[in-house]
Amino acid sequence: DAGVIQSPRHEVTEMGQEVTLRCKPISGHNSLFWYRQTMMRGLELLIYFNNNVPIDDSGMPEDRFSAKMPNASFSTLKIQPSEPRDSAVYFCASSLGAGTSGVGELFFGEGSRLTVL
Amino acid sequence: GESVGLHLPTLSVQEGDNSIINCAYSNSASDYFIWYKQESGKGPQFIIDIRSNMDKRQGQRVTVLLNKTVKHLSLQIAATQPGDSAVYFCAENIGDKIIFGKGTRLHILP
Repeated sequence: DAGVIQSPRHEVTEMGQEVTLRCKPISGHNSLFWYRQTMMRGLELLIYFNNNVPIDDSGMPEDRFSAKMPNASFSTLKIQPSEPRDSAVYFCASSLGAGTSGVGELFFGEGSRLTVL
Repeated sequence: GESVGLHLPTLSVQEGDNSIINCAYSNSASDYFIWYKQESGKGPQFIIDIRSNMDKRQGQRVTVLLNKTVKHLSLQIAATQPGDSAVYFCAENIGDKIIFGKGTRLHILP
């Protein structure tokens, strides 16, 4: 299995530009998570999906952030317009799914490092 | 505020010694805890987990201890090796969410 695939690995953009980050979860996994990692805040959960449906987006910092999951094999995280404080590593993770026993093991992609100048 | 946190940001251990990484959590409703390892430039990787109905679980060279009375979690790594150098996160599963602590960097001394 190829694991969780994220693109781009690195993105440098100017303030005000639109940024789109992409994620392909592991085939058969029903839950998908977007995290943001910074030195100051650590790993923050932004949003997660179960069976392609957004369940909780309370971690999305502002309306400038949006996420979609049009099908089971693809998700995007969009920032429009981007700001320097959005600079971080954005991780996508997937799991077999949530249930009464919990989410279980998360499988992370290698992350997208975003720098907004 | 943050529900899961770590006592020490950096831990230095002599190669071959045992490492103990600690974690405190505040949510009594948490019923599942996980330790992740993150190497430089990579995403976090699952190490070991434990459910709240257990107080100890062992894996290969790793042991997780859970003390629900004081809401404390620890990860013990036996015979620490250079390849163990990484940032270690404890995380808790609350409903459908997994919330991470800030992490402890483990530094291996030669």
